[in-house]
Amino acid sequence: SQQGEEDPQALSIQEGENATMNCSYKTSINNLQWYRQNSGRGLVHLILIRSNEREKHSGRLRVTLDTSKKSSSLLITASRAADTASYFCATYHGGSQGNLIFGKGTKLSVKP
Amino acid sequence: SQTIHQWPATLVQPVGSPLSLECTVEGTSNPNLYWYRQAAGRGLQLLFYSVGIGQISSEVPQNLSASRPQDRQFILSSKKLLLSDSGFYLCAWSSGMNTEAFFGQGTRLTVV
Repeated sequence: SQQGEEDPQALSIQEGENATMNCSYKTSINNLQWYRQNSGRGLVHLILIRSNEREKHSGRLRVTLDTSKKSSSLLITASRAADTASYFCATYHGGSQGNLIFGKGTKLSVKP
Repeated sequence: SQTIHQWPATLVQPVGSPLSLECTVEGTSNPNLYWYRQAAGRGLQLLFYSVGIGQISSEVPQNLSASRPQDRQFILSSKKLLLSDSGFYLCAWSSGMNTEAFFGQGTRLTVV
């Protein structure tokens, strides 16, 4: 089952521009996480935002969470070519012990 | 520090042959362990997760199985591979529900 759904599916921008990706989920959550995946590699954890937080920053990353709308956004500011990757949101399925479910991802391409 | 090892990196197997992918974690105890599959250009599909030795939860009925013979070892197996089993298999661990997950580098399986 898919818990998170990202949009857009693909995003192409120029270096220096900001990139915004959105994630919607279906059930109640304790936290929401964002991950990055370079082509053909494993995923790397970027940031975790708890359900009682509305915004969180980490370097050039800004994550927001709106639990009333069951949605989150990831903003990458001043993007670089090295930010080219797929980005996924993930949540633990409500009520389960360890069921970590990922969305389908947004493929970001940053052109130099 | 904790590390996760997943091997092999690539594998080409004929239809009907068996499969065994191994994942081990170092530097932590009693981790939650996960197996995901990712089709080309797609999101992650959770196959199995385990919260302890001998405790395996299956998310998707299929001809794959998983085992956890030791605390930090997670094995994905099949008795007879199908063409549809081709994909990118990822192992991951977390220290518990609502924490970040750490991924191996993945195994690219091609069934021919």
